Amino acid sequence: DAGVIQSPRHEVTEMGQEVTLRCKPISGHNSLFWYRQTMMRGLELLIYFNNNVPIDDSGMPEDRFSAKMPNASFSTLKIQPSEPRDSAVYFCASSLASGDSEFYGYTFGSGTRLTVV
Amino acid sequence: DQQVKQNSPSLSVQEGRISILNCDYTNSMFDYFLWYKKYPAEGPTFLISISSIKDKNEDGRFTVFLNKSAKHLSLHIVPSQPGDSAVYFCAASGTSYDKVIFGPGTSLSVIP
Repeated sequence: DAGVIQSPRHEVTEMGQEVTLRCKPISGHNSLFWYRQTMMRGLELLIYFNNNVPIDDSGMPEDRFSAKMPNASFSTLKIQPSEPRDSAVYFCASSLASGDSEFYGYTFGSGTRLTVV
Repeated sequence: DQQVKQNSPSLSVQEGRISILNCDYTNSMFDYFLWYKKYPAEGPTFLISISSIKDKNEDGRFTVFLNKSAKHLSLHIVPSQPGDSAVYFCAASGTSYDKVIFGPGTSLSVIP
């Protein structure tokens, strides 16, 4: 398996533009997470899906952010309009929540570094 | 309100010695605790975990200790190697289905 695949790796955009980040989770995983990493706030959870259904979006900063998971193999995180304070590294992660006594956490993608100028 | 805390932003250790990374949490409902390692320009990678029913879990050079009464866990790396230099994140979750909350991370430097 190629792991969690995110695209693009880097994105530079002008303030006010729409930005779409993409994620392909590991095949067979049933949970998908979007995290954002900044110097000030560290790794913060934005939203997560279980079996393609959004479970908790309380971390989404504001209405400018939206996320979709149309099927088990694809998710997008959209920012419209983008602002300079959205500049961060955005990570997608997936996991198989099996209910076993052991939990091996998530598998993260390599991230998308977003710069809004 | 930070539920998972790592009070040491950085740690420097000599190669071959023990590295001890500490983590405190506030939510007594957490059932799983995890450590992730992150290199620059890469995503975090899972290192080791422990469930709340245990107080120790070992995997090679890495051992995690959990003290539930003190709401404290630690990661021991013995012996430390230069390749261990990375940012280490402590994380916690209520269940294996629940979201994982990450601490701010500790940057470990292992000096040859």
